[in-house]
Amino acid sequence: AQTVTQSQPEMSVQEAETVTLSCTYDTSESDYYLFWYKQPPSRQMILVIRQEAYKQQNATENRFSVNFQKAAKSFSLKISDSQLGDAAMYFCAYTVDYGGSQGNLIFGKGTKLSVKP
Amino acid sequence: GAGVSQTPSNKVTEKGKYVELRCDPISGHTALYWYRQSLGQGPEFLIYFQGTGAADDSGLPNDRFFAVRPEGSVSTLKIQRTERGDSAVYLCASSLGGLESEGNTIYFGEGSWLTVV
Repeated sequence: AQTVTQSQPEMSVQEAETVTLSCTYDTSESDYYLFWYKQPPSRQMILVIRQEAYKQQNATENRFSVNFQKAAKSFSLKISDSQLGDAAMYFCAYTVDYGGSQGNLIFGKGTKLSVKP
Repeated sequence: GAGVSQTPSNKVTEKGKYVELRCDPISGHTALYWYRQSLGQGPEFLIYFQGTGAADDSGLPNDRFFAVRPEGSVSTLKIQRTERGDSAVYLCASSLGGLESEGNTIYFGEGSWLTVV
């Protein structure tokens, strides 16, 4: 069975500094997608960044970037120049790519990020 | 609408009662998902609709849970004979279609917080 593990229940970062959130996953599939979602207190899950497993290049979205290590089944999120608005729960998620149809999203337990002014 | 809309945002019900939670997806989105998020956990997949039909209902925990999407737009999650363990945030999400299209994003609503007393 596919699983997603986030080993850091809580993390803290100083405003303007850089923080890295860890995620590992377990799968026997070769084609899949990985995501990082942000969930503020409003409860709405917001997509931060996505990575296709067949792409070797790490995805980047402005201050957010990932370190995707397929062999190690690792998918960490780096937030640069942290801002107060980055404070939230961050969830790593995985889904299988069935070559045109998708599987359901499997989420980790989340990491609560605090940003100190 | 502009985003995924869920009603009610909060619902308190007595053990044994019947509950309906409604989801109005983004206009034109053919794919619709229900997830359940318990306190301190990541969302867990319940059911996925493609159009009017349930493409994958493997996450429904038991036969007390049922979901419909009769016209391929609004969906209703129905819970019979509610139990205290059903207390959670029920998240709905929608997307244009499958994940095979790069840039196709799953958009989440703010959830319905169900408390069974």
